[in-house]
Amino acid sequence: ETGVTQSPTHLIKTRGQQVTLRCSSQSGHNTVSWYQQALGQGPQFIFQYYREEENGRGNFPPRFSGLQFPNYSSELNVNALELDDSALYLCASSPTPEDEQFFGPGTRLTVL
Amino acid sequence: AQRVTQPEKLLSVFKGAPVELKCNYSYSGSPELFWYVQYSRQRLQLLLRHISRESIKGFTADLNKGETSFHLKKPFAQEEDSAMYYCALRNQAGTALIFGKGTTLSVSS
Repeated sequence: ETGVTQSPTHLIKTRGQQVTLRCSSQSGHNTVSWYQQALGQGPQFIFQYYREEENGRGNFPPRFSGLQFPNYSSELNVNALELDDSALYLCASSPTPEDEQFFGPGTRLTVL
Repeated sequence: AQRVTQPEKLLSVFKGAPVELKCNYSYSGSPELFWYVQYSRQRLQLLLRHISRESIKGFTADLNKGETSFHLKKPFAQEEDSAMYYCALRNQAGTALIFGKGTTLSVSS
């Protein structure tokens, strides 16, 4: 068991609302990366945090934002939800950005 | 552009048959490539990475820079190999993994 946990497991929101997804990294892992996985697609990189600073960002709009805390937990916030935001959101942790990434089980977000 | 292409959505083979899951990439420079696997009801996990040159669960993958490929192979498929397989490339910034769309491998007896 890798030890990366995510909450909640499932979430239903309506268009225009805001959502916060949470991730708890393995102890000692200073890097967390977030991915969006739409149905039938591979995971797509949203952003990465290393030692509480953003360390890279994919092709996602600013309404996708994140935070990383000193206790190895992190958040993904999405404002002004759109129907296309419906997806599985994965977090992955690693000791440093170059190390193997360990994935959590994901949060399934449905936007109605 | 950095891109990973997995041309097959589904690959069905019989137990004991050879398996080859195709992966092609687009990248400038020396790529770092991975295969990830997701078994039913389990999370995504690393199967192998080209720099370690290991054989995991009988699977191997060789980087072919001339053909820009990183195909995953196993000589004799087992039913427990049935899963979703993703090929991935580390981006040039060294931060993100770029995934293909995945191939479902179905092994039947």
